[in-house]
Amino acid sequence: GQQLNQSPQSMFIQEGEDVSMNCTSSSIFNTWLWYKQDPGEGPVLLIALYKAGELTSNGRLTAQFGITRKDSFLNISASIPSDVGIYFCAGQLTGNTGKLIFGQGTTLQVKP
Amino acid sequence: DGGITQSPKYLFRKEGQNVTLSCEQNLNHDAMYWYRQDPGQGLRLIYYSQIVNDFQKGDIAEGYSVSREKKESFPLTVTSAQKNPTAFYLCASRTTGTANSPLHFGNGTRLTVT
Repeated sequence: GQQLNQSPQSMFIQEGEDVSMNCTSSSIFNTWLWYKQDPGEGPVLLIALYKAGELTSNGRLTAQFGITRKDSFLNISASIPSDVGIYFCAGQLTGNTGKLIFGQGTTLQVKP
Repeated sequence: DGGITQSPKYLFRKEGQNVTLSCEQNLNHDAMYWYRQDPGQGLRLIYYSQIVNDFQKGDIAEGYSVSREKKESFPLTVTSAQKNPTAFYLCASRTTGTANSPLHFGNGTRLTVT
């Protein structure tokens, strides 16, 4: 089935550094979502993007919906140890089925 | 508290046995979803239901079955026909009142089949 290309696959950074990750697709999506998953837990929604070109912030997190509707990025500024986890992008297909296509995830580790 | 409850958290079964995973939500959401997660991979859709008594296959429905007899509940049965059932299973729900409303997830059930 369809999948999004998410990169990087993993990151190991120092506390206080900024982080950037992105997702690309050959398909057009009408919604981009970014989730964070802690070990053994379900994904938690961080940011939802609904319009091409939209730039949205949630605290230290900023995400953008690409102009072509085929890509999105997530930035985390001034990382802290609790940012550790797996970050997933997800694209929602047109229509109202709610079906999501997920990226493979970016595993973030933060060194205090 | 409103939310999505999956139970049990851990489940162990012998090969050849069917097993049913529970998912209950009290968010009054119309649509519910089952995803499978394998290590190092993104989530893949098994089944989804947008209304009571109706459901559709996702990308990897083979070896699974579901029912949607109540709005609050969407149990998933992993049958003996599923070749690689060991995985982390995630249930999600959303309101359909808004076209692009996002999915909200439960905390998952880790199924181990030996």
